[in-house]
Amino acid sequence: GAGVSQSPSNKVTEKGKDVELRCDPISGHTALYWYRQSLGQGLEFLIYFQGNSAPDKSGLPSDRFSAERTGGSVSTLTIQRTQQEDSAVYLCASSLGGLNEQFFGPGTRLTVL
Amino acid sequence: SQQGEEDPQALSIQEGENATMNCSYKTSINNLQWYRQNSGRGLVHLILIRSNEREKHSGRLRVTLDTSKKSSSLLITASRAADTASYFCAPWGGGADGLTFGKGTHLIIQP
Repeated sequence: GAGVSQSPSNKVTEKGKDVELRCDPISGHTALYWYRQSLGQGLEFLIYFQGNSAPDKSGLPSDRFSAERTGGSVSTLTIQRTQQEDSAVYLCASSLGGLNEQFFGPGTRLTVL
Repeated sequence: SQQGEEDPQALSIQEGENATMNCSYKTSINNLQWYRQNSGRGLVHLILIRSNEREKHSGRLRVTLDTSKKSSSLLITASRAADTASYFCAPWGGGADGLTFGKGTHLIIQP
C-alpha cells in the first residue's frame, strides 16, 4: 500500500517568503507527526496530531510556524517569513496511534536563500 | 521526549559479518524503536520493542531491551552491502511526544 507522501520534495525560497509543506499520511493512521532534520543535526520533533484533537504546539520553534490537519487526514505545515535557519529537511510521519511505530515520508528539503 | 544515545558512533565490518550496535536512554519508556537512514533517503522503521518485551526478531534483525539497565541492542546478522546506513534508536515515553533521535551509529559494510 501507499506510504506517507510529502510535497513538494524540494523547495527553494527567498528569505521572508511564506512556504507551505504538505503531508499525506498512510490511510487509517490517526496519529501524524512533523519533524525537521537540519544538516548534521538529529531529528527535532515539531508537532503531533492525534485524530481531530487540537495539537500541542509547544514544540514549534517560533510563532512563524503553524500546522493544521484537515479532516483528520492531510496536514500542512506553514512557515511564514522564512529565515535562513529554517533550511532543513521537514519530515512527516504517521502511525496507527501514539504507541505504535511511526512511518516516515521522504521529506521536503527546504532551502531558504 | 528523550533522546537515545547510540554506540558506537561508527562501525565498519566485512560483508557477511554480524553488526551490533547499542542504545542507552535515561527515563522509563513505553517502547523503543529502531530506524535506518540511508544516505540521501528517508527514515525507515526497522523494529519496535515494547517495555514488557526482552527480545524481538525480524528477519536478520534481533533487538534486545533491558529496562533495568535502560539499554537496547540491535544485531544485524549476515550483513550485506545494502545494510550500509545510519541506525537510530528512539526511546518513547508515550503521550503527545514525538521521537528524538541522537547522532546514530553509522554502519559501513565493506564488500
